[in-house]
Amino acid sequence: RKEVEQDPGPFNVPEGATVAFNCTYSNSASQSFFWYRQDCRKEPKLLMSVYSSGNEDGRFTAQLNRASQYISLLIRDSKLSDSATYLCVVIPGGSYIPTFGRGTSLIVHP
Amino acid sequence: NAGVTQTPKFQVLKTGQSMTLQCAQDMNHNSMYWYRQDPGMGLRLIYYSASEGTTDKGEVPNGYNVSRLNKREFSLRLESAAPSQTSVYFCATQSGQSNQPQHFGDGTRLSIL
Repeated sequence: RKEVEQDPGPFNVPEGATVAFNCTYSNSASQSFFWYRQDCRKEPKLLMSVYSSGNEDGRFTAQLNRASQYISLLIRDSKLSDSATYLCVVIPGGSYIPTFGRGTSLIVHP
Repeated sequence: NAGVTQTPKFQVLKTGQSMTLQCAQDMNHNSMYWYRQDPGMGLRLIYYSASEGTTDKGEVPNGYNVSRLNKREFSLRLESAAPSQTSVYFCATQSGQSNQPQHFGDGTRLSIL
């Protein structure tokens, strides 16, 4: 089993749709979690951290489920500009070596 | 406020040539990393430096060497380039606290013929 797994997609949704991605991780000692966004041929950029209680940033909501070892990202009211690949990142406690998922591709169409 | 700066942005090499990819940060971060990204493979860690004066191998170190020149700079060297090293290379930094995210440079696109 890969350490961090994501559905590669692509998720193809119309503008205005709500879409959710999950990311599962295998290391139960994982302590820090992040979502990154990566546009085609660009560098990954931090989208948001994921906190135990869940957190929201505008149209984006991140959740952590430690019992089932997954994190999720919900995007509401999708925009064309949300089209990108979304990477989940997991860091074990006490480590500074993150593990990246391979990413989920999102395509938002008119 | 440059953040993480990588040079060059693009490079074409012939097999067997050597070159050094440069990375510099002005974020006062302790940890620095080199990744490569290939289609369908995701990001793979080549080498990292937890702090100035230390370097360690990542997942795919073969064919590469690194130097942590000072706190700001972390270079990646290909001694004898091979076509399999054609990739996009990203440098990243992190404060050194495990609950903090990484910040990436905008990449070096390297082609080896």
